[in-house]
Amino acid sequence: SQTIHQWPATLVQPVGSPLSLECTVEGTSNPNLYWYRQAAGRGLQLLFYSVGIGQISSEVPQNLSASRPQDRQFILSSKKLLLSDSGFYLCAWDARGTYGYTFGSGTRLTVV
Amino acid sequence: TQLLEQSPQFLSIQEGENLTVYCNSSSVFSSLQWYRQEPGEGPVLLVTVVTGGEVKKLKRLTFQFGDARKDSSLHITAAQPGDTGLYLCAGQGANDYKLSFGAGTTVTVRA
Repeated sequence: SQTIHQWPATLVQPVGSPLSLECTVEGTSNPNLYWYRQAAGRGLQLLFYSVGIGQISSEVPQNLSASRPQDRQFILSSKKLLLSDSGFYLCAWDARGTYGYTFGSGTRLTVV
Repeated sequence: TQLLEQSPQFLSIQEGENLTVYCNSSSVFSSLQWYRQEPGEGPVLLVTVVTGGEVKKLKRLTFQFGDARKDSSLHITAAQPGDTGLYLCAGQGANDYKLSFGAGTTVTVRA
């Protein structure tokens, strides 16, 4: 069966520090991968998506970047965090030709 | 970006009552999905509707896709405390695998 792993679950980082959030998918190959950010109790904003290794598309200009070094690995990074980067970050995947995303359990990032 | 508007933003009802959540847009979608999310967790897919006018039932939940494929509704019959959560609708455009999400409806069912 397919599973998605996202870590860490919570993170508290100082302003100006780097960030690396990792997401891996098991049990499938060539998935579409997505990073979303969610404000408290509200809708999801698409940050990045990827249809293949090394292929990254950005939806909004921001202080973050994404990479896909392996087929089932998706990484969200920042060189210097801002206070406004705080939020709940969600990784998701879907298979081409199917409907519905499967989300990871999320990372609660607090920048202090 | 295709805008999806959800209403109401918050809904608090007594156990056993019925409720309806609406999702509206000016855009046409090839599919529309509903998710439920609990605090501190990722959203979980409830249903996908793809045909205009389609109605799907999942136990006490009824989902409807508008004839023009621009809007959808979620109706819960005899709500239970376990139905409490954030309900999100998400639309997928033609030839597009990206989802645009509504802002969500927070549903609280009191025992």
